[in-house]
Amino acid sequence: DAGVIQSPRHEVTEMGQEVTLRCKPISGHDYLFWYRQTMMRGLELLIYFNNNVPIDDSGMPEDRFSAKMPNASFSTLKIQPSEPRDSAVYFCASSLLGVLGLNNEQFFGPGTRLTVL
Amino acid sequence: SQQGEEDPQALSIQEGENATMNCSYKTSINNLQWYRQNSGRGLVHLILIRSNEREKHSGRLRVTLDTSKKSSSLLITASRAADTASYFCATDANAGGTSYGKLTFGQGTILTVHP
Repeated sequence: DAGVIQSPRHEVTEMGQEVTLRCKPISGHDYLFWYRQTMMRGLELLIYFNNNVPIDDSGMPEDRFSAKMPNASFSTLKIQPSEPRDSAVYFCASSLLGVLGLNNEQFFGPGTRLTVL
Repeated sequence: SQQGEEDPQALSIQEGENATMNCSYKTSINNLQWYRQNSGRGLVHLILIRSNEREKHSGRLRVTLDTSKKSSSLLITASRAADTASYFCATDANAGGTSYGKLTFGQGTILTVHP
C-alpha cells in the first residue's frame, strides 16, 4: 500500500481565495482524521470521520472550514475564504479500529504546507 | 485542553547517551502511543502500550506506563544523530470500555542528538 496520500504537497495562495486539500486514506481503514500543525498551537485535530460520517468537528476553527468524505477512499478539506492565519501544515491520517474496539495506530500522510499571503 | 503533556519540551544530548521523555495525561485511557516526527514530515507511529501493560520494548525503545500516576515515559537508548526529531505521546481515551476513535496528542518533545 502507498500509505496515506495527500495533495497538493505545497500550496501558496492569496487571502480570500478558496483552498482545497485532498486526502486518500489507506484502503480498508475506517477512520480518517484532519489535523493542523503550527509552531504556536502544535498539532490540532480539526475533524474526524468514521465510515465516511463526520464524528466530531469541534476542532474546525470557523465556518470558513469544511470537510467532506464522499466515499471511503477520498476526503477533502476546504477553506473559503482563506486568511493568512490559516497558514500551517495540514495532515491527514487514517486508522483502523481494532477487534476489541480499541484504537490502533494512526498513519499520517506527508502533509500539505499551506501559505496564505 | 491537551490530554498529553510532554516533558521536557526540548532535550539536547550527545550521540550514545540515553534520552528520556515523559508524558502525563488526565483521563482514563485504553492505550498510550508514541510517535516521531522528522522535520517537515508526517508523524510516524513508534510503539503502543495498553492500559494493562506496564512496560514495553521495541529495539532501542523502552516505554513505561503508570496508570495510577497517569504518566508514561519513552526511553531511547544509545541515541544516534538520526534520532533527532520531535516525539509525541498520544492517548486513546477510554469511552466506557471502547474508544472514541480519536487520539489526543501532546505538544511534543524536541530531541536533538549531537554527533
